[in-house]
Amino acid sequence: EPEVTQTPSHQVTQMGQEVILRCVPISNHLYFYWYRQILGQKVEFLVSFYNNEISEKSEIFDDQFSVERPDGSNFTLKIRSTKLEDSAMYFCASKQTSAQETQYFGPGTRLLVL
Amino acid sequence: EDQVTQSPEALRLQEGESSSLNCSYTVSGLRGLFWYRQDPGKGPEFLFTLYSAGEEKEKERLKATLTKKESFLHITAPKPEDSATYLCAEPSYGKLTFGQGTILTVHP
Repeated sequence: EPEVTQTPSHQVTQMGQEVILRCVPISNHLYFYWYRQILGQKVEFLVSFYNNEISEKSEIFDDQFSVERPDGSNFTLKIRSTKLEDSAMYFCASKQTSAQETQYFGPGTRLLVL
Repeated sequence: EDQVTQSPEALRLQEGESSSLNCSYTVSGLRGLFWYRQDPGKGPEFLFTLYSAGEEKEKERLKATLTKKESFLHITAPKPEDSATYLCAEPSYGKLTFGQGTILTVHP
């Protein structure tokens, strides 16, 4: 069964460093998303991406964040200068079409900023 | 502001003891209500989508139902392997708004 994959599974970084989180969405899906979940809190929307551009972004998704689809399979989230409060699980999700709302999630990347 | 509220926050059951989880929503223009299961340290795993009041979906020991204001996830004769956090979510302009989840623990 097709699934969303994410790498790395864990990332430890120093405050102020740049990190890139990688995702491979399900192959025939066209809509891509990043969410994050701080320990013990709700899953929160960060950004949606379609047709090589951002469709919508939340207040969390400030200038420190960027997304990119560098090739036909990968979808990345970059945090330019990490802060302690960026420590969280980051989930990538994808869905097939605009009519179908179901989003399928990857296993997540646990980011720890020291 | 779109809100999704789940209750209870935590639920402890004995194996075989049936119960229900609740999800209330305030998102206008409902375009579906989703249930996900999340195991510790894992991503949300899709369970069900419900689109209209009165709709029901079943999968093994789980049944999801939808009214105009809320959704229920009924768990019949649960087993320890059903222990997880159950999340409900609504789509709004493409993004999903999640509730805080119900942590279900099923004791053998």
